[in-house]
Amino acid sequence: DAKTTQPNSMESNEEEPVHLPCNHSTISGTDYIHWYRQLPSQGPEYVIHGLTSNVNNRMASLAIAEDRKSSTLILHRATLRDAAVYYCILIYNNAGNMLTFGGGTRLMVKP
Amino acid sequence: GAVVSQHPSRVICKSGTSVKIECRSLDFQATTMFWYRQFPKQSLMLMATSNEGSKATYEQGVEKDKFLINHASLTLSTLTVTSAHPEDSSFYICSASPGPGSYEQYFGPGTRLTVT
Repeated sequence: DAKTTQPNSMESNEEEPVHLPCNHSTISGTDYIHWYRQLPSQGPEYVIHGLTSNVNNRMASLAIAEDRKSSTLILHRATLRDAAVYYCILIYNNAGNMLTFGGGTRLMVKP
Repeated sequence: GAVVSQHPSRVICKSGTSVKIECRSLDFQATTMFWYRQFPKQSLMLMATSNEGSKATYEQGVEKDKFLINHASLTLSTLTVTSAHPEDSSFYICSASPGPGSYEQYFGPGTRLTVT
C-alpha cells in the first residue's frame, strides 16, 4: 500500500481553522484518500474521503493537490472536542476493507 | 451511520486466565470484521481478519492459538485472549463494513484489557 506521512502533532486555538497536512507521494491512480480520527479512549471514526476533487461535509473539508501527492484536512473552527489523532489513509479502489494506520497527527486544541 | 458495539468496554483479569471480547454490528450484517490492537501512545495494528463461517486470517506475528477468533454469525465476532499475560494488556478495537459498495469502516468503541 502507498504510504502516507503526517506531522506527529499540531496545536490549534479553539474557534480557529486547522489545516492538517498529509503527504502521499507514491499514491496510485486508484487510491482514495481517507481521513479517520480517534478521540481519546475511543475507536476511530470516519471523517471524509476523496479521489481528486475537493470535498466538503459537515465535519470537515478535504483539499487535494492537483498532482494528488498531498492533501489537507481542514477543520473550519476547531473545538475542544476536535482534539484527537487524525489519520490519513490511502484505500485502494475505495473498497471498504481493513485499514492500515500510520502514526497520524495528534491535534491539541487550546481554549 | 452504522453502529458497532463492543463488550466489555474494560476488563481486568489475572495472568493465565482467558478473556472474551465481543464485537457486534448492530444495524447491518458484516461478513468480514477486523480486529486491531493499540498499545499506549501507538497507532492501531491489525491483528486479524474475521470471516463469517470460516477461519480467521491472522497478520504476521499474531499467534492464532493465543488470540482465538470466532465469527459465528453475520453480526457477531468474538476475540478470546487465552492464557493472558501482562504484555497482552492493550486496547482492542474491532471494525466492520456493511459490504460491497460501502467505503467506510465502522469501529467499535474499544475494549481496554488489563492483565495483572
